[in-house]
Amino acid sequence: EVQLVESGGGPVKPGGSLRLSCAVSGFTFDFYSMNWVRQAPGKGLEWVSSISSSSDYTDYADSVKGRFTISRDNAKNSLYLQMNSLRAEDTAVYYCARELDVWGKGTTVTVSS
Amino acid sequence: SYELTQPSSVSVSPGQTARITCSGDILAKKYARWFQQKPGQAPVLVIYKDSERPSGIPERFSGSSSGTTVTLTISGAQVEDEADYYCYSAADNNQVFGGGTKLTVL
Repeated sequence: EVQLVESGGGPVKPGGSLRLSCAVSGFTFDFYSMNWVRQAPGKGLEWVSSISSSSDYTDYADSVKGRFTISRDNAKNSLYLQMNSLRAEDTAVYYCARELDVWGKGTTVTVSS
Repeated sequence: SYELTQPSSVSVSPGQTARITCSGDILAKKYARWFQQKPGQAPVLVIYKDSERPSGIPERFSGSSSGTTVTLTISGAQVEDEADYYCYSAADNNQVFGGGTKLTVL
């Protein structure tokens, strides 16, 4: 069974940092590109970042460029999102997704003083 | 950057056909996907490549494309189809979701 399990969310003050993780199982991780997508409370989906299967290509939404860094460890079947200089508007549920065809249940990030 | 425009809400009675549109210039050259999201749950892919249905998705879900508009059609909508639906497409390093459509079936 394909599974994606996010972790690392929680409360953080503005300007702080968090590192999200996504542990995957049930498929050959290094065959697929991966994504982070977020959803602010009561709002729609927003694509955040993507990484290619071998990490040679990454891309970011303008809203997070320069603050967030996506990475992966194919040996550990894990995807990461390092989030720095967090703002109130980064408050959201963060989902990891395999090429947007399979999604995890999400982890909640709350940025508040 | 690209934008995708969806109606904010659509309502149908059970058994009727629900149609949700998504418009944007990107759709003239790139495929669209549709996602279903029920409250408190992660999105689920219901249509890809404009009209392909993943395994496990009921046949009543179908997709079509014409020019810069794609349409998700739910034939014989059921109460359990009540959810938010999002279109999505990607091109030129832009990945964009539509604003979402709340489908009410009652």
